[in-house]
Amino acid sequence: KAGVTQTPRYLIKTRGQQVTLSCSPISGHRSVSWYQQTPGQGLQFLFEYFSETQRNKGNFPGRFSGRQFSNSRSEMNVSTLELGDSALYLCASSEGGTGRDEQYFGPGTRLTVT
Amino acid sequence: LAKTTQPISMDSYEGQEVNITCSHNNIATNDYITWYQQFPSQGPRFIIQGYKTKVTNEVASLFIPADRKSSTLSLPRVSLSDTAVYYCLVGDKGSSYKLIFGSGTRLLVRP
Repeated sequence: KAGVTQTPRYLIKTRGQQVTLSCSPISGHRSVSWYQQTPGQGLQFLFEYFSETQRNKGNFPGRFSGRQFSNSRSEMNVSTLELGDSALYLCASSEGGTGRDEQYFGPGTRLTVT
Repeated sequence: LAKTTQPISMDSYEGQEVNITCSHNNIATNDYITWYQQFPSQGPRFIIQGYKTKVTNEVASLFIPADRKSSTLSLPRVSLSDTAVYYCLVGDKGSSYKLIFGSGTRLLVRP
């Protein structure tokens, strides 16, 4: 099976712009979770989608949003970008979508905000 | 909210056993504790998962005491390729769907 893919791999944006990141889960996986990774804050949970519904959300402002399509592919959007949004954004897919399921991570999208 | 604590870094030599402990409180009572490994420029990779007592697979063992307030990842006979960052992952007691990663332990294996 193909692994989790994320596009684009690298992105440079300017403050105030918005950005959309894409994640294609492993075939058959119905859950997609998004994480932000920074040197200072480590890996932080953003949100999780299961069968097109947001099941849970971390402690991030409303500028961070996401959605999941019927084929389980997911997108994450960040509006009004701030310098502090510079990070590696990781998506992970799993079969059943609970903490007990092994998550398969993609390589991430590195976002730089200037 | 669940809270985790891991050592920032550890050093070891090839062939030694390495034990990395994660302390965690307020974790979901009915959920697994999972450990991941991450190499530079890659996403984390699943190592092992357990609920209580001891679990062993082909690459590691995981020890979880009865109170589940900590877990210890044991890597037998490490090699240079085990140099990576290791994270524990737990579910929050309020909602097991809200996952909390530990801060990560950077393991350096020396020849």
